[in-house]
Amino acid sequence: AQTVTQSQPEMSVQEAETVTLSCTYDTSESNYYLFWYKQPPSRQMILVIRQEAYKQQNATENRFSVNFQKAAKSFSLKISDSQLGDTAMYFCAFLYEGNKLVFGAGTILRVKS
Amino acid sequence: EPEVTQTPSHQVTQMGQEVILRCVPISNHLYFYWYRQILGQKVEFLVSFYNNEISEKSEIFDDQFSVERPDGSNFTLKIRSTKLEDSAMYFCASSISAGANGYTFGSGTRLTVV
Repeated sequence: AQTVTQSQPEMSVQEAETVTLSCTYDTSESNYYLFWYKQPPSRQMILVIRQEAYKQQNATENRFSVNFQKAAKSFSLKISDSQLGDTAMYFCAFLYEGNKLVFGAGTILRVKS
Repeated sequence: EPEVTQTPSHQVTQMGQEVILRCVPISNHLYFYWYRQILGQKVEFLVSFYNNEISEKSEIFDDQFSVERPDGSNFTLKIRSTKLEDSAMYFCASSISAGANGYTFGSGTRLTVV
């Protein structure tokens, strides 16, 4: 069974600084997709960034980028120039067989002014 | 930007009652999903729906649950004989293809069973 592990229950970062959230996963699949979702206090799930496993290049979306290490089964999220609005729960998620997302337990990120 | 709309945002129900959670997916999306998040726990997959039938369901999705797309726009989750442990945030999601581009989630319905 596929599992996703986020080892950091909580993180804090000062505004304008950079923070990295960790995620590891376990799978025997070769082709899959990885995602980071943001859940602010409103509880809505917002897609932050996605990565296709067959692509070597790390995905980037503005201030958000990933470090995808396929062999190590690692998928970390880097947030640059952190803003107060980045305060949220961040979930790493794994998709295989095209249908079902498997989520990690989440990391609470607090951005401090 | 297109949204997935869920109603109600909060539902309180008596134990043993039936509830229907409603979702309007994005209009050109073909795949629909329900996920559940018990407070403080992981987001869990419940069911996926495509071409008017369930394509996959989890162990959680037992006979107590059912889904329906009654009119081509709404996508509903029915929970029969609600239990205290059904209290959770229920998220609807949709995708244009089989999830590879990521889903669009709704804002969720907070279900409280008392």
